[in-house]
Amino acid sequence: EAQVTQNPRYLITVTGKKLTVTCSQNMNHEYMSWYRQDPGLGLRQIYYSMNVEVTDKGDVPEGYKVSRKEKRNFPLILESPSPNQTSLYFCASSPPGTVHRYTFGSGTRLTVV
Amino acid sequence: AQSVTQPDIHITVSEGASLELRCNYSYGATPYLFWYVQSPGQGLQLLLKYFSGDTLVQGIKGFEAEFKRSQSSFNLRKPSVHWSDAAEYFCAVVGNKLTFGGGTRVLVKP
Repeated sequence: EAQVTQNPRYLITVTGKKLTVTCSQNMNHEYMSWYRQDPGLGLRQIYYSMNVEVTDKGDVPEGYKVSRKEKRNFPLILESPSPNQTSLYFCASSPPGTVHRYTFGSGTRLTVV
Repeated sequence: AQSVTQPDIHITVSEGASLELRCNYSYGATPYLFWYVQSPGQGLQLLLKYFSGDTLVQGIKGFEAEFKRSQSSFNLRKPSVHWSDAAEYFCAVVGNKLTFGGGTRVLVKP
């Protein structure tokens, strides 16, 4: 089944403790992206990647890092999480040049205390 | 810069009543427009999309949307709401990237 898999689904952590949210897709998509969803703000793009080793900032990149060493994986790294990063996170992927064919993961609900 | 506005944060409708969710976009060229639905605890599901052609677009679950270029709008409608339609709905536009509106949460009264 074609899908985007995020792990974990739920995570509670403490301020300053580094964490990684994994994202993997099995569709051979080149484009991958991370969004965060907050009430009233919809989904905002954090980072995106056009291809392996090519990443760029989205609208709200502060406090996040990403890497794209393989086409299928696009982990989101929070080096020093803070409470304002408490949010629902979505990973998405799409074939090249077709942002409108996004496939979304099921989401990761992160709470930073 | 492209943007999407969903003026209604919450809407409450009775089961069986009609539903209309508003969406206004800002984009300099012809947009690609989308509506997504997010049921409680779930990810995003694509309801329908508009690229070109007929301005009235049919989607899944009985939803439709109408693109009105003169009003920069892409409102979502459903003639008769079911309890399972309670969810959050997001309008989105693709210019150089996918940009979402703030969402409208729909509550369905029995």
